[in-house]
Amino acid sequence: DVKVTQSSRYLVKRTGEKVFLECVQDMDHENMFWYRQDPGLGLRLIYFSYDVKMKEKGDIPEGYSVSREKKERFSLILESASTNQTSMYLCASREQGPNTEAFFGQGTRLTVV
Amino acid sequence: AQSVAQPEDQVNVAEGNPLTVKCTYSVSGNPYLFWYVQYPNRGLQFLLKYITGDNLVKGSYGFEAEFNKSQTSFHLKKPSALVSDSALYFCAVRPFGGGYNKLIFGAGTRLAVHP
Repeated sequence: DVKVTQSSRYLVKRTGEKVFLECVQDMDHENMFWYRQDPGLGLRLIYFSYDVKMKEKGDIPEGYSVSREKKERFSLILESASTNQTSMYLCASREQGPNTEAFFGQGTRLTVV
Repeated sequence: AQSVAQPEDQVNVAEGNPLTVKCTYSVSGNPYLFWYVQYPNRGLQFLLKYITGDNLVKGSYGFEAEFNKSQTSFHLKKPSALVSDSALYFCAVRPFGGGYNKLIFGAGTRLAVHP
């Protein structure tokens, strides 16, 4: 079974803190993604990576950055957390190819106070 | 603009009855279509996908979906609902062609199956 593991289920951080969300996948997938999930808005793509050290902006990259130093690991960084970044964050990975499905981690619910 | 619509925020069904969760899309070209399910406090799980061929696609847990090109729809169905099917369901579309990494999600439909 494909496994995508996010380092934390729940996080509470203070406004202005630098926050790291970690994601690891064990299926040697080329593509990895970070989404944000908010009620009524579905999932919105923040960033994705199609190879080590490669990244592309998604639909809502402002306030976020990412790092992919190893193929299995994709980190999302909130440089200076703000209350409007309180949300559920989902990591996903999938094989190369347009018709492959994505596999998701269990999610990290981040609260910024 | 490319988009996915799930017109119902919530669908209520009695256990044993058939269920339908609706999805329509607006993308250029021939899309790849997906359904995912999310149980409480969990990530999304893949249910099924349409790539090409037969318009009726069968997936996990007895779910199926029907692709209708003329109506640009991809409705999720199940002949007999279970209480354990209660969850949040997402339709997603990947446009064919350039930028295929992009997966566009609908807002989600909450399915409540009552005993």
